[in-house]
Amino acid sequence: QSALTQPASVSGSPGQSITISCTGTSSDVGGYNFVSWYLQHPGKAPKLMIYDVTKRPSGVSDRFSGSKSGNTASLTVSGLQSEDEGDYYCSSYTSSSTLVFGGGTKLTVL
Amino acid sequence: QVQLQESGPGLVKPSETLSLTCSVSDNSINIGHYWGWIRQPPGKGLEWIGSIYHGGSTDYNPSLKSRVTISVDTSQNEISLNLTSVTAADTAVYFCARRRGGWYQGVYYYYYLDVWGKGTTVTVSS
Repeated sequence: QSALTQPASVSGSPGQSITISCTGTSSDVGGYNFVSWYLQHPGKAPKLMIYDVTKRPSGVSDRFSGSKSGNTASLTVSGLQSEDEGDYYCSSYTSSSTLVFGGGTKLTVL
Repeated sequence: QVQLQESGPGLVKPSETLSLTCSVSDNSINIGHYWGWIRQPPGKGLEWIGSIYHGGSTDYNPSLKSRVTISVDTSQNEISLNLTSVTAADTAVYFCARRRGGWYQGVYYYYYLDVWGKGTTVTVSS
């Protein structure tokens, strides 16, 4: 299975919005509404931010939102805050019943 | 909230077998979740290794399948990972995580990781 494709980096100023894309194939992202997003701070374990493409776990700010069109899923972070900085990973269920991750996107809050 | 804790040798010699254990803090290992292993080489992204259901069914990353075995000990609330014939490329932080999901068209799919351990660093070197 090939990793999902994410941009290596994105940046934005406090208060702005950014969007991170995640492109796969019809065997993963495009075939199922089972995309999730994770935020990882340096030296820490990843934290679930979005699942089912659009759902937020309890405790995750509504500034985080997800969407999907075809083989590409997207994560939008609005009202950027310094604590949003970190590495974001998308993940999808695959036709082999496994999970596959994206390569990761480093978000910098300027 | 359930907690996960990875443990095992921090240093493994090339060609040997890497063995790690993930301890689950409560009895939820018997409730019906999948439990997965993920790794992250230094400075790189996350890689799915595989997962196991409490009943024993497994799924593995095709690129690692020939070298990986994941098992569960429900009496000890533990999940284990064995990776054989390791090389320097297997040097990574290894995480365990709970894999959850939901119903879709009459089938239950497991597709997100809601609880993670803190990870354990394994270095492959002679």
